[in-house]
Formats: sequence, C-alpha cells, structure tokens
Amino acid sequence: DGGITQSPKYLFRKEGQNVTLSCEQNLNHDAMYWYRQDPGQGLRLIYYSQIVNDFQKGDIAEGYSVSREKKESFPLTVTSAQKNPTAFYLCASRPRGLANEQFFGPGTRLTVL
Amino acid sequence: GDSVTQMEGPVTLSEEAFLTINCTYTATGYPSLFWYVQYPGEGLQLLLKATKADDKGSNKGFEATYRKETTSFHLEKGSVQVSDSAVYFCALSDDTGFQKLVFGTGTRLLVSP
Repeated sequence: DGGITQSPKYLFRKEGQNVTLSCEQNLNHDAMYWYRQDPGQGLRLIYYSQIVNDFQKGDIAEGYSVSREKKESFPLTVTSAQKNPTAFYLCASRPRGLANEQFFGPGTRLTVL
Repeated sequence: GDSVTQMEGPVTLSEEAFLTINCTYTATGYPSLFWYVQYPGEGLQLLLKATKADDKGSNKGFEATYRKETTSFHLEKGSVQVSDSAVYFCALSDDTGFQKLVFGTGTRLLVSP
C-alpha cells in the first residue's frame, strides 16, 4: 500500500528534551511538508522540502529543525527552544506539478509534560 | 499575504439536512482551492479541489464551485449523514512552484440522527 506513515502516534516529552518525529512516504513524491495543528486553529507550515538535501522554513520554523537526506524521509526535530511544543503534527507530501494536492499522514500528537 | 476565511462552527444539523460551509479567500495570482476533511485523531483527507475559475469540484455528494468574482469556494451537500461529522478545512495553494497550502481555521460539522 502506498502512503505516508508517521511515528509514533503519541509522544510524550519532558521539558528541555529534543524529540524527533518520523515521516516516511512511498509515493515517490518530490515535495514534503510539516504542519502544526493547535485546537481550533488551522494548520500552520513549519518546514517544507522540494527535493533531497534542500528545505525551506515555513511560517513557524523557530524551535524546529528538519533534514531531507532521502526522498522518502523527512524527519522533524522539536528542540528545547520551541516554547510551546504540545500540538498535533502532520506530515504531507505532494507529487511534482502544479495544482496537485498534498497527501497527509495520520499525525503525531506530542505532549510536553 | 494569502489567507482563507471559513465560517465558524460548530455547524449542527440533523441527518438529511442541506449543508453549506462558507469559505472566502484572498490571494494574488491564480490559486488552486481545496476542501479537506479531518476525522477525530486522524490526518487530513482531500475531499475535492478546483484549479481555475468556474471549476466545480465534487466527491461523495459534496460540491464546491470556484467563484473568482466573489473569491469564494463554499462547500455544499444536499443531504448529510451522521458519518459526515468531522472538521472541514478550506485551503488554497499558490500558483508558484512551492505550492504551499494556506488553511482556514476549520469548521466542525456535527450531524445527529
């Protein structure tokens, strides 16, 4: 089955710890994205990547970092510099071409204790 | 910058009622427009899309028409079911190569039997 997987589904972190969220896709999509979702709000873009070894900051990149060493993988690290990391994190990918929709993974819910 | 405005929820309907969720946008250029649906605890699924003015997107009984003159993309369904209960997000994608999505805040739909 082709799709996007995110792991873990639930993640708990102590304050001051870095944590990495996994995102893998086997759709052969070029572009990948990370969004943050807070209750009652829309999705906000954290980082995105159009090709391997290249990525750009989105609207709320502070306190986050990413890497894109393989086409299939786009992990997100939430660092201790992120002041309010508790949220639902969604990864998405998109095939090349204009007007193509983004495909979303199931999400990871991160809770800081 | 680009933005999307959705009607506030929750929208509460009885089964078989008519549904309208309003969405208006502000954008430069010629964006593509999308409706996504999110069920509790899950990622987003594409419901329908439209890529140019006067296009009508449709899927599973839902419809939306890209109205450039009123900058709107309202979601409609003639007869809702309990299983349609979810959060609906309107989004636009710019017409550049980066294809970033800008989301509305989402509208929760609750359908009772």
